[in-house]
Amino acid sequence: GAGVSQSPRYKVAKRGQDVALRCDPISGHVSLFWYQQALGQGPEFLTYFQNEAQLDKSGLPSDRFFAERPEGSVSTLKIQRTQQEDSAVYLCASSPGVGDQPQHFGDGTRLSIL
Amino acid sequence: GENVEQHPSTLSVQEGDSAVIKCTYSDSASNYFPWYKQELGKGPQLIIDIRSNVGEKKDQRIAVTLNKTAKHFSLHITETQPEDSAVYFCASPHFNKFYFGSGTKLNVKP
Repeated sequence: GAGVSQSPRYKVAKRGQDVALRCDPISGHVSLFWYQQALGQGPEFLTYFQNEAQLDKSGLPSDRFFAERPEGSVSTLKIQRTQQEDSAVYLCASSPGVGDQPQHFGDGTRLSIL
Repeated sequence: GENVEQHPSTLSVQEGDSAVIKCTYSDSASNYFPWYKQELGKGPQLIIDIRSNVGEKKDQRIAVTLNKTAKHFSLHITETQPEDSAVYFCASPHFNKFYFGSGTKLNVKP
């Protein structure tokens, strides 16, 4: 399809395990964003890429969270030594340019830490 | 950062009635205001947006109004239908990232 694709849709991990979440943005989109959405809340910003450059990672909750976009298209969000409070839906969004533009979201990865 | 407040948190209307959701923001430099609809198990879907050079924008049954002086913008849905039932989020950008409101759960009763 032509939209933002995220995988896996659901991920269950034991506390302490590492997880990797993948985002395929809309082809040609320059900007890519990761958000975290807790149950019943609005999405909260984690990090932002312009092409392969990570320009803002101010929302990453700890140094256990790491994101990359090495070739300026697909992005991976990695969480090391997962903890129960990491349980949430992780959303990826992309937009065609920079600045204040529409962001198009994927359906997210629901992460559950046991 | 930006502070976005959204009201009400829940809204229940009868099919065919109108629904209005309001958001206020704090950053006077903000120039772009999107509204998203999120259905259960899905990601937020952009339904309408407005830039600060206009006061109102319509798309069929959906409209958004903006008052830059008062720093608030509203989503208006007319002739509501059961399929409009969802959670709606407003957002305001600040240095490329979006700050979202806390959401409004709209229930349209048939």
